[in-house]
Amino acid sequence: QQQVKQSPQSLIVQKGGISIINCAYENTAFDYFPWYQQFPGKGPALLIAIRPDVSEKKEGRFTISFNKSAKQFSLHIMDSQPGDSATYFCAASSGGYNKLIFGAGTRLAVHP
Amino acid sequence: DAGVIQSPRHEVTEMGQEVTLRCKPISGHNSLFWYRQTMMRGLELLIYFNNNVPIDDSGMPEDRFSAKMPNASFSTLKIQPSEPRDSAVYFCASSSGLAGVEQFFGPGTRLTVL
Repeated sequence: QQQVKQSPQSLIVQKGGISIINCAYENTAFDYFPWYQQFPGKGPALLIAIRPDVSEKKEGRFTISFNKSAKQFSLHIMDSQPGDSATYFCAASSGGYNKLIFGAGTRLAVHP
Repeated sequence: DAGVIQSPRHEVTEMGQEVTLRCKPISGHNSLFWYRQTMMRGLELLIYFNNNVPIDDSGMPEDRFSAKMPNASFSTLKIQPSEPRDSAVYFCASSSGLAGVEQFFGPGTRLTVL
């Protein structure tokens, strides 16, 4: 019940296209859903996050869509650029000490 | 702020040797997390501390692993004895300790056990 399932494992998108990564969870106590971006040789860094009281959050080209009833959330990258090529992790946490449960990661490659 | 600092950045050791990884969290943060990242298992939480006290060590793989946080500005992750299957990138992260806030990751330590 603590798992966060992420798909796809890898994704290839052409420059200018839309990248979509999906995550699903079971624990209804989760109340914070961040996405982290990781470039090779670096630590993950927070990209964007959402709480379950809203269905969508947009920051520039990055949007999180959240479906509470389906227990799913997704990351959309509009106008994908080669510089977006990285590994993306969804995560979830509930209250307490900010312990994050991470998905398995999606390796995104944006081809010019 | 310099961010989360980890040392060493790379460590190569032989099986059976003791390995100590070090982390300095961001000043003012009172939660600290140790993660391990491998291709097979992804990003795994090993242990986390709040106000220097270990809260949950259920992710520590076995007794060969131990972690300490003697003060608010320093933590260590020790592996003794090390095994080839411990080869991974180990990340330290810190946060303010509040629920639902950003965790700041360090650059990681790439450990290779021969």
